[in-house]
Amino acid sequence: GESVGLHLPTLSVQEGDNSIINCAYSNSASDYFIWYKQESGKGPQFIIDIRSNMDKRQGQRVTVLLNKTVKHLSLQIAATQPGDSAVYFCAEINNTDKLIFGTGTRLQVFP
Amino acid sequence: SAVISQKPSRDICQRGTSLTIQCQVDSQVTMMFWYRQQPGQSLTLIATANQGSEATYESGFVIDKFPISRPNLTFSTLTVSNMSPEDSSIYLCSVRSGRTYEQYFGPGTRLTVT
Repeated sequence: GESVGLHLPTLSVQEGDNSIINCAYSNSASDYFIWYKQESGKGPQFIIDIRSNMDKRQGQRVTVLLNKTVKHLSLQIAATQPGDSAVYFCAEINNTDKLIFGTGTRLQVFP
Repeated sequence: SAVISQKPSRDICQRGTSLTIQCQVDSQVTMMFWYRQQPGQSLTLIATANQGSEATYESGFVIDKFPISRPNLTFSTLTVSNMSPEDSSIYLCSVRSGRTYEQYFGPGTRLTVT
């Protein structure tokens, strides 16, 4: 299918290594953040979320870190697998209650 | 999470024509949204589909170009009117239950305008 994010920043990692995908957001009033995974030809898939009153949240093989001081969000994927290859987006709920997306990062996993 | 389906999954249309995209959710949801994803880009919110009233459009999007209907809590349509090649994009339906901020997406409709 068509590749999404042909001009997006790319992170290449070796299978089994940990991946860290970063995102900067602009609205200090944003209260809620979501990370999405989008595979080629599919819609974004919800991975993990975090509220602004937290600085860390863990899921299965994924951890999201939030630094409100510098308005920075990161997604850590442990033991990266070939199936993790996709474009990853951070998104924030802004002060008008709308979900707004960041620019995205393409993750490539090589053996 | 809700199961969201869209029809058609893809289409190739001639300029000047219109296409209506359908979004069906398997459960009642409070909020429904339409997004556009242009080739190689991120997602941009087009509008919030309001049940029983006119949709709320984001800056740069107007009702005459993107009329939206939402007759009930599980269904919405987006029409792309008087299409031009610049409308070639993926159009995505998204829903939020209202009890939380968790928001889910349909598979998208891939539109190519020639």
